[in-house]
Amino acid sequence: GQNIDQPTEMTATEGAIVQINCTYQTSGFNGLFWYQQHAGEAPTFLSYNVLDGLEEKGRFSSFLSRSKGYSYLLLKELQMKDSASYLCAVRGLSSGGSYIPTFGRGTSLIVHP
Amino acid sequence: SQTIHQWPATLVQPVGSPLSLECTVEGTSNPNLYWYRQAAGRGLQLLFYSVGIGQISSEVPQNLSASRPQDRQFILSSKKLLLSDSGFYLCAWTGTGNTIYFGEGSWLTVV
Repeated sequence: GQNIDQPTEMTATEGAIVQINCTYQTSGFNGLFWYQQHAGEAPTFLSYNVLDGLEEKGRFSSFLSRSKGYSYLLLKELQMKDSASYLCAVRGLSSGGSYIPTFGRGTSLIVHP
Repeated sequence: SQTIHQWPATLVQPVGSPLSLECTVEGTSNPNLYWYRQAAGRGLQLLFYSVGIGQISSEVPQNLSASRPQDRQFILSSKKLLLSDSGFYLCAWTGTGNTIYFGEGSWLTVV
Protein backbone atom coordinates (compact mmCIF):
# COMPACT_ATOMS: atom_id res chain seq x y z
CA GLY A 1 0.00 0.00 0.00
CA GLN A 2 0.87 3.66 -0.11
CA ASN A 3 0.86 6.28 2.63
CA ILE A 4 1.24 9.98 1.94
CA ASP A 5 1.45 12.70 4.59
CA GLN A 6 1.34 16.45 4.18
CA PRO A 7 0.28 19.26 6.53
CA THR A 8 -3.40 20.08 6.56
CA GLU A 9 -3.10 23.83 6.44
CA MET A 10 -0.48 26.55 6.11
CA THR A 11 -0.63 30.32 6.06
CA ALA A 12 1.82 32.78 4.54
CA THR A 13 2.14 36.42 3.63
CA GLU A 14 1.94 37.84 0.13
CA GLY A 15 5.43 38.16 -1.37
CA ALA A 16 6.94 35.58 0.96
CA ILE A 17 8.24 32.05 0.34
CA VAL A 18 6.48 28.92 1.58
CA GLN A 19 7.56 25.29 1.60
CA ILE A 20 4.99 22.50 1.64
CA ASN A 21 6.37 19.12 2.69
CA CYS A 22 5.22 15.67 1.67
CA THR A 23 6.44 12.36 3.05
CA TYR A 24 5.49 9.04 1.58
CA GLN A 25 5.80 5.30 1.87
CA THR A 26 5.18 3.24 -1.21
CA SER A 27 5.97 0.05 -3.03
CA GLY A 28 7.72 0.46 -6.35
CA PHE A 29 8.13 4.24 -6.52
CA ASN A 30 7.65 5.62 -10.02
CA GLY A 31 7.30 9.37 -9.68
CA LEU A 32 5.86 12.11 -7.49
CA PHE A 33 3.45 14.81 -8.62
CA TRP A 34 2.37 18.15 -7.21
CA TYR A 35 -1.01 19.59 -8.16
CA GLN A 36 -2.79 22.82 -7.33
CA GLN A 37 -6.52 22.78 -6.74
CA HIS A 38 -8.77 25.79 -6.27
CA ALA A 39 -12.06 25.22 -4.50
CA GLY A 40 -14.64 23.58 -6.72
CA GLU A 41 -12.24 22.98 -9.58
CA ALA A 42 -10.23 20.08 -10.95
CA PRO A 43 -6.55 19.90 -9.97
CA THR A 44 -3.97 21.45 -12.27
CA PHE A 45 -0.49 20.07 -12.83
CA LEU A 46 2.47 21.83 -11.20
CA SER A 47 5.44 19.47 -11.24
CA TYR A 48 6.75 15.95 -11.56
CA ASN A 49 9.85 14.42 -9.95
CA VAL A 50 11.18 10.93 -10.51
CA LEU A 51 14.90 11.48 -9.79
CA ASP A 52 16.44 13.06 -6.70
CA GLY A 53 16.96 16.78 -6.79
CA LEU A 54 15.27 20.04 -7.50
CA GLU A 55 13.01 20.88 -10.43
CA GLU A 56 12.41 24.57 -10.97
CA LYS A 57 9.58 26.07 -12.97
CA GLY A 58 9.10 29.79 -12.57
CA ARG A 59 7.94 30.65 -9.05
CA PHE A 60 7.43 26.97 -8.24
CA SER A 61 10.12 24.40 -7.41
CA SER A 62 9.80 20.81 -6.30
CA PHE A 63 12.40 18.67 -4.56
CA LEU A 64 12.62 14.91 -4.17
CA SER A 65 14.67 12.58 -2.00
CA ARG A 66 13.76 8.98 -2.76
CA SER A 67 15.92 7.54 0.00
CA LYS A 68 14.07 9.64 2.58
CA GLY A 69 10.63 9.31 1.00
CA TYR A 70 10.39 13.08 1.05
CA SER A 71 9.43 15.88 -1.26
CA TYR A 72 8.65 19.55 -0.93
CA LEU A 73 6.99 22.18 -3.07
CA LEU A 74 8.50 25.65 -2.81
CA LEU A 75 6.45 28.67 -3.79
CA LYS A 76 8.25 32.00 -4.13
CA GLU A 77 6.93 35.54 -4.37
CA LEU A 78 3.55 34.45 -3.10
CA GLN A 79 0.48 36.01 -4.64
CA MET A 80 -3.06 36.07 -3.34
CA LYS A 81 -4.11 33.78 -6.21
CA ASP A 82 -1.79 31.10 -4.81
CA SER A 83 -4.34 30.49 -2.06
CA ALA A 84 -5.44 26.95 -2.91
CA SER A 85 -5.03 23.34 -1.93
CA TYR A 86 -1.74 21.67 -2.92
CA LEU A 87 -1.87 17.95 -3.53
CA CYS A 88 1.07 15.58 -3.37
CA ALA A 89 0.63 12.34 -5.33
CA VAL A 90 2.89 9.32 -5.60
CA ARG A 91 2.83 6.77 -8.38
CA GLY A 92 3.49 3.40 -6.87
CA LEU A 93 2.86 -0.27 -7.48
CA SER A 94 -0.68 -1.39 -6.72
CA SER A 95 -1.69 -4.81 -5.48
CA GLY A 96 -2.81 -5.50 -9.04
CA GLY A 97 0.69 -4.94 -10.39
CA SER A 98 0.04 -1.60 -12.11
CA TYR A 99 1.62 1.76 -11.35
CA ILE A 100 -1.11 4.07 -10.16
CA PRO A 101 -1.07 7.57 -8.61
CA THR A 102 -2.29 7.95 -5.03
CA PHE A 103 -2.98 11.40 -3.60
CA GLY A 104 -2.40 12.81 -0.16
CA ARG A 105 -5.12 14.76 1.65
CA GLY A 106 -3.78 18.06 0.37
CA THR A 107 -2.42 21.17 2.08
CA SER A 108 -4.68 24.20 2.18
CA LEU A 109 -2.51 27.30 1.71
CA ILE A 110 -3.91 30.65 2.76
CA VAL A 111 -2.04 33.72 1.52
CA HIS A 112 -2.87 36.94 3.34
CA PRO A 113 -1.86 40.51 2.53
CA SER B 1 -4.53 17.28 -28.78
CA GLN B 2 -5.45 15.22 -25.75
CA THR B 3 -8.64 16.05 -23.92
CA ILE B 4 -10.83 14.48 -21.31
CA HIS B 5 -14.49 15.16 -20.70
CA GLN B 6 -16.81 13.99 -17.99
CA TRP B 7 -20.52 14.58 -17.42
CA PRO B 8 -22.83 15.58 -15.98
CA ALA B 9 -21.15 18.50 -14.23
CA THR B 10 -23.63 18.60 -11.38
CA LEU B 11 -26.48 16.43 -10.23
CA VAL B 12 -28.78 16.10 -7.25
CA GLN B 13 -30.07 12.61 -6.67
CA PRO B 14 -32.34 11.12 -4.00
CA VAL B 15 -31.12 8.35 -1.74
CA GLY B 16 -31.68 4.98 -3.34
CA SER B 17 -31.63 6.26 -6.91
CA PRO B 18 -29.15 5.03 -9.56
CA LEU B 19 -26.08 6.90 -10.75
CA SER B 20 -24.16 7.06 -13.99
CA LEU B 21 -21.17 9.32 -14.56
CA GLU B 22 -19.40 9.11 -17.88
CA CYS B 23 -15.90 10.03 -18.94
CA THR B 24 -14.32 10.01 -22.39
CA VAL B 25 -10.76 10.66 -23.48
CA GLU B 26 -9.66 11.95 -26.89
CA GLY B 27 -6.31 12.13 -28.60
CA THR B 28 -4.68 9.08 -27.07
CA SER B 29 -5.05 5.33 -27.05
CA ASN B 30 -4.90 2.69 -24.33
CA PRO B 31 -4.81 5.16 -21.46
CA ASN B 32 -4.94 4.17 -17.81
CA LEU B 33 -8.23 5.54 -16.50
CA TYR B 34 -9.18 6.50 -12.96
CA TRP B 35 -12.17 7.57 -10.90
CA TYR B 36 -11.44 9.63 -7.79
CA ARG B 37 -13.82 11.04 -5.19
CA GLN B 38 -13.20 14.09 -3.09
CA ALA B 39 -15.33 14.79 -0.04
CA ALA B 40 -15.61 18.40 1.12
CA GLY B 41 -12.22 19.67 2.28
CA ARG B 42 -10.54 16.33 1.76
CA GLY B 43 -8.00 14.81 -0.60
CA LEU B 44 -8.62 12.63 -3.62
CA GLN B 45 -9.66 9.08 -2.85
CA LEU B 46 -9.00 6.56 -5.62
CA LEU B 47 -12.13 4.52 -6.29
CA PHE B 48 -11.38 2.55 -9.45
CA TYR B 49 -8.73 2.28 -12.09
CA SER B 50 -8.53 0.52 -15.42
CA VAL B 51 -5.52 -0.43 -17.52
CA GLY B 52 -7.53 -1.76 -20.46
CA ILE B 53 -10.98 -2.51 -21.87
CA GLY B 54 -13.02 -4.55 -19.45
CA GLN B 55 -10.27 -4.45 -16.79
CA ILE B 56 -11.42 -2.76 -13.59
CA SER B 57 -9.64 -2.65 -10.25
CA SER B 58 -11.41 -1.42 -7.14
CA GLU B 59 -9.46 0.31 -4.41
CA VAL B 60 -12.23 0.90 -1.91
CA PRO B 61 -15.17 -1.40 -1.19
CA GLN B 62 -18.43 0.47 -1.64
CA ASN B 63 -21.74 0.45 -3.46
CA LEU B 64 -20.21 1.93 -6.60
CA SER B 65 -19.03 0.12 -9.71
CA ALA B 66 -17.09 1.05 -12.81
CA SER B 67 -17.01 -0.18 -16.37
CA ARG B 68 -14.84 0.40 -19.41
CA PRO B 69 -16.83 -0.64 -22.45
CA GLN B 70 -14.48 1.07 -24.91
CA ASP B 71 -10.80 2.00 -24.83
CA ARG B 72 -11.42 5.67 -24.06
CA GLN B 73 -14.68 5.47 -22.12
CA PHE B 74 -14.97 5.02 -18.37
CA ILE B 75 -18.28 4.89 -16.51
CA LEU B 76 -19.00 5.13 -12.79
CA SER B 77 -22.29 3.66 -11.64
CA SER B 78 -24.39 2.88 -8.63
CA LYS B 79 -27.66 1.00 -8.35
CA LYS B 80 -28.70 2.70 -5.10
CA LEU B 81 -27.05 5.88 -3.88
CA LEU B 82 -26.28 6.56 -0.22
CA LEU B 83 -25.96 9.96 1.47
CA SER B 84 -22.27 9.22 1.94
CA ASP B 85 -21.81 9.06 -1.84
CA SER B 86 -22.06 12.84 -2.06
CA GLY B 87 -18.89 14.51 -3.23
CA PHE B 88 -16.82 15.74 -6.13
CA TYR B 89 -16.00 13.00 -8.62
CA LEU B 90 -13.03 13.28 -10.90
CA CYS B 91 -12.13 11.18 -13.89
CA ALA B 92 -8.45 11.12 -14.86
CA TRP B 93 -6.09 9.43 -17.26
CA THR B 94 -2.38 8.75 -17.61
CA GLY B 95 -0.39 7.59 -20.57
CA THR B 96 3.31 7.09 -21.08
CA GLY B 97 4.03 10.68 -20.06
CA ASN B 98 4.46 12.20 -16.64
CA THR B 99 1.17 13.99 -16.12
CA ILE B 100 -2.18 13.00 -14.67
CA TYR B 101 -4.92 14.61 -16.75
CA PHE B 102 -8.21 15.39 -15.01
CA GLY B 103 -11.70 15.93 -16.30
CA GLU B 104 -13.75 18.92 -15.20
CA GLY B 105 -15.31 17.07 -12.30
CA SER B 106 -18.87 16.14 -11.35
CA TRP B 107 -20.59 17.41 -8.24
CA LEU B 108 -22.95 14.83 -6.77
CA THR B 109 -25.35 15.71 -3.97
CA VAL B 110 -27.42 12.87 -2.57
CA VAL B 111 -30.50 14.09 -0.71
